[in-house]
Amino acid sequence: SYVLTQAPSVSVAPGETARITCGGNNIGSKSVHWYQQKPGQAPVLVINFDSDRPSGIPERFSGSNSGNTATLTISRVEAGDEADYYCQVWDSSRDHPGVFGGGTKLTVL
Amino acid sequence: EVQLVETGGGLIQPGGSLRLSCVASGFTVSTNYMTWVRQGPGKGLEWVSFNHNGGKTYYADSVKGRFTISRDNSKNTLYLQMNSLRAEDTAVYYCARMDCTGYVCFVDIWGQGTLVTVSS
Repeated sequence: SYVLTQAPSVSVAPGETARITCGGNNIGSKSVHWYQQKPGQAPVLVINFDSDRPSGIPERFSGSNSGNTATLTISRVEAGDEADYYCQVWDSSRDHPGVFGGGTKLTVL
Repeated sequence: EVQLVETGGGLIQPGGSLRLSCVASGFTVSTNYMTWVRQGPGKGLEWVSFNHNGGKTYYADSVKGRFTISRDNSKNTLYLQMNSLRAEDTAVYYCARMDCTGYVCFVDIWGQGTLVTVSS
């Protein structure tokens, strides 16, 4: 099955830019979606189709996808952005079409 | 308001059965892809099952033959029947709505989750 690789943790100071990556074989040919999950809460979609922001998601959240790496970028990081972030792709041609990355814990210093 | 509310979780002994329910409001379950995603303690997200009304149904290898997804359109409710439960099935189970465009799907609405603990 298709594998998505995320670094376990990323740390950034308030006001700085956080970049969370999601690696996969030729992931640039797929659509990548990103979810934010705060402790004790359900995940929330923050980016879909590589770079689209759902309604209500701040412009500070952006995404890109090329080659073997997709990236979620959070600009001007705030304490409230501290959470786990998961990438996800869908490949209808596979027996296991839905795949999540292992998640990245974003710590705001 | 679009919302999903799960119930039915709890403590169950290994080998036992549970049925999770997920009541939808603000949209119609029958016309959407619906899914169950679980998250073990301290772990990441794992797709358990999904289907579209009358369409293809998917199960993770780890639950195939033990779990069954179904829906009651008259009650706008999704279910997950879990049999032969194992300790490794311990997790928070999320009911969710999927947005499928062409051959690409993602989750746009999540329930709050219900905890299933399998232990003697």
